[in-house]
Amino acid sequence: QQQVKQSPQSLIVQKGGISIINCAYENTAFDYFPWYQQFPGKGPALLIAIRPDVSEKKEGRFTISFNKSAKQFSLHIMDSQPGDSATYFCAAGGQTGANNLFFGTGTRLTVIP
Amino acid sequence: DTGVSQNPRHKITKRGQNVTFRCDPISEHNRLYWYRQTLGQGPEFLTYFQNEAQLEKSRLLSDRFSAERPKGSFSTLEIQRTEQGDSAMYLCASVGFAGTYEQYFGPGTRLTVT
Repeated sequence: QQQVKQSPQSLIVQKGGISIINCAYENTAFDYFPWYQQFPGKGPALLIAIRPDVSEKKEGRFTISFNKSAKQFSLHIMDSQPGDSATYFCAAGGQTGANNLFFGTGTRLTVIP
Repeated sequence: DTGVSQNPRHKITKRGQNVTFRCDPISEHNRLYWYRQTLGQGPEFLTYFQNEAQLEKSRLLSDRFSAERPKGSFSTLEIQRTEQGDSAMYLCASVGFAGTYEQYFGPGTRLTVT
């Protein structure tokens, strides 16, 4: 059973536009929600993360919106740039024994110049 | 470089051979995770160490897989009698102190079983 569902699978955005990726989770024990950026042949890099005590977190052009009652969270990339073209993974974890992360299936973002 | 390092970066092996990967976590990070990532999917948890103790294993970790972290520093992941289905990227992540959640990943080891 997929613990974290992510959409869309792929996304094409014009330079300067807003990229939005959505995730939903099942386990209410999760209390940590990071987003990772991965380039081909590289390991995932931690981009931004949120805990459920806040509904939004912003770091530079990246914003996480979190809806605890709906068990959903999303990543917004403002002023998207060609260098943002990568695969983005949402994840959830915490309070689950090993505190390991459960990842979504990824969104391949392409930003067109 | 003070990040997580993994070696080798790529490994091609024939079915039935044994392979071993190494992970060096960020210095003084006491928690270490192994994940497996197949093409087009997110990483999946394999196992977890706190210092030298292996505290949890996923059901994905069959009997052919074994992991160690002998001195609470670097870790090794061995796969015996490799199968084509073992072809994947094997990722290591380290976490700092109790109460922190941030997992920092290494570059991974890409395994291809022919």
